[in-house]
Parts: sequence; structure tokens; C-alpha cells
Amino acid sequence: GAVVSQHPSRVICKSGTSVKIECRSLDFQATTMFWYRQFPKQSLMLMATSNEGSKATYEQGVEKDKFLINHASLTLSTLTVTSAHPEDSSFYICSGRGPGTDTQYFGPGTRLTVL
Amino acid sequence: AQKVTQAQTEISVVEKEDVTLDCVYETRDTTYYLFWYKQPPSGELVFLIRRNSFDEQNEISGRYSWNFQKSTSSFNFTITASQVVDSAVYFCALSAINDYKLSFGAGTTVTVRA
Repeated sequence: GAVVSQHPSRVICKSGTSVKIECRSLDFQATTMFWYRQFPKQSLMLMATSNEGSKATYEQGVEKDKFLINHASLTLSTLTVTSAHPEDSSFYICSGRGPGTDTQYFGPGTRLTVL
Repeated sequence: AQKVTQAQTEISVVEKEDVTLDCVYETRDTTYYLFWYKQPPSGELVFLIRRNSFDEQNEISGRYSWNFQKSTSSFNFTITASQVVDSAVYFCALSAINDYKLSFGAGTTVTVRA
């Protein structure tokens, strides 16, 4: 199956700093990439959808100025959590969808802890 | 609006037992996709199956089988002869065709004891 990587796998930062998470599709071109967050023992909640070269579309309730998404190429999308606060601590997961497929392939996730 | 309900929060079985995970969905779309994903303790979601709404054939893949009943809006998943490695959280998800946004159920935690 298609492979998606994320970096870093874990990050701990101080409150007020910004953190960038990378999502890469390794063996396919991801026309669309998705960003989810998952709180402990909860389901995945879609944050935003990004198409290569276009602005991301954010779900209701997600602050676009706080969660900056860039999808600069068909294999790379980045999520930057700006001015992180402890309530932003979560598991962030990205997925990619290639052209001609309706299936999303997920990255391994990034665990963010904001102190 | 789309909604996926996985009523079972946790299921615990002994190895070699069969386990069935329920999934009930709601959607106004006439065509849609249904998915099952597995999330082991490592956290990565593993794709298991995608089913089109117009294809009601049941499917079997090794020890996994899926029962799609459009009349009851259900897409249940059975693991036959469970193994310890099957221990994970299993998510059912739904998307409209050509929309690609996934709506996930709450997940069912399966624990298989040796």
C-alpha cells in the first residue's frame, strides 16, 4: 500500500512557541492531504483539507491562523501550530490521497506535548 | 450530515474466539464509501477495506470479513479466530464519493488475551 511518513514522531515544546510537523507521501503523489487530531481515547477529528498549490480548507471551529497548513508539493504538506498552548497537546495525524483513488493512507502520527 | 456510530466501546476476547464489530451509519448521500481502519498501539492507522455503497457483496480477506447491509445502514466487521496481534482500536468511517472527507466513528477497542 501507499506509504506516508510524518516528522517528528514526538515533540515537546514550551507554551508560546511554534511547532512544525511534516507529512510526506513516499511512493505516491498526494493530490490531497488531510490533517486530523486525536485526543486520548477519542476518535479522529478532521482539521483541514489541503490540495497541492491551493489554500487549505479548514473545518468549522479550527483556527486557520493558529494551525497553518502548507501543501507546497505533491509529496509534502506541513502543519505549523503557532503559539502553542497546553490545550494543543494532542496526536496529530496526516493522510494523503493520490489521483484516481478514493482511499486515504495515513501517516504514523505526531504526538505533541506543550508544557 | 454524516454520522458513524460504533456502539461497542471495548471488546475483550480470548485468542481464537471470533469477534464482530458493529458499525451503523447515517448519510443523506445516495453514493458513498465505507471504510474500516485499524489503529494498533503504535498509533498508525492501517487501511483494511473500502466498500462502495452500490456494492453490497460481502467480502472476506483471510480472517477478516465484512457484512454490508444497506437496508439497515450497517457495515459490520468480523475477525475470525482472533489473535493477540489483532488487539487494536478499530474505526469505521464514511465519506461521500468525490468528497473524500472521512467521518469516523468513535472506535472500538479490541483486546485479545492469550
